[in-house]
Amino acid sequence: DAGVTQSPTHLIKTRGQHVTLRCSPISGHKSVSWYQQVLGQGPQFIFQYYEKEERGRGNFPDRFSARQFPNYSSELNVNALLLGDSALYLCASSFDTGGSGELFFGEGSRLTVL
Amino acid sequence: QQPVQSPQAVILREGEDAVINCSSSKALYSVHWYRQKHGEAPIFLMILLKGGEQKGHDKISASFNEKKQQSSLYLTASQLSYSGTYFCGTDHQGTYKYIFGTGTRLKVLA
Repeated sequence: DAGVTQSPTHLIKTRGQHVTLRCSPISGHKSVSWYQQVLGQGPQFIFQYYEKEERGRGNFPDRFSARQFPNYSSELNVNALLLGDSALYLCASSFDTGGSGELFFGEGSRLTVL
Repeated sequence: QQPVQSPQAVILREGEDAVINCSSSKALYSVHWYRQKHGEAPIFLMILLKGGEQKGHDKISASFNEKKQQSSLYLTASQLSYSGTYFCGTDHQGTYKYIFGTGTRLKVLA
């Protein structure tokens, strides 16, 4: 079975631009969460979606938004990019919501903002 | 409040044991442990739930002290493949809003 897939794997943007990152969860998984990981640090929680509804949001500005589609894939959008948005963006899927199941991470989308 | 992990870094020889600790300032619902190799995605190692339930790989063991809000990951007879950065992920409300710890860099030498 395919794991969590993310696209694009690498991208370079300039300040002020907009970016859309995509994630396809493992088949059968209904929950998708997004994390930002800056080099040398642990992943920081951005959003969690379950059954197309937002179930949680981390301490990120409104420039960050996300959505989940009927097929459970998800998009993360970041507007008005700042240099500080440069990071690895990880998507993780899980079968359900709640803290009792493992997260399966994708390889991530590495965003560089110039 | 980000969980604090200790030690920050550790170097081992193959076959040696190591313990990685994770301490939270808030009550925990569950603790997850993940290992991340450079340039790769984190992979799941272990989950410990409030009440004592554990799920994970056979060669990994961990403890969860609910009162002390702490968890420890035990790596025995380390192998070269154990090298990487270990993160604990703490969940306070029974959701997937994990707060990941500060990380522990582990390197196993031949």
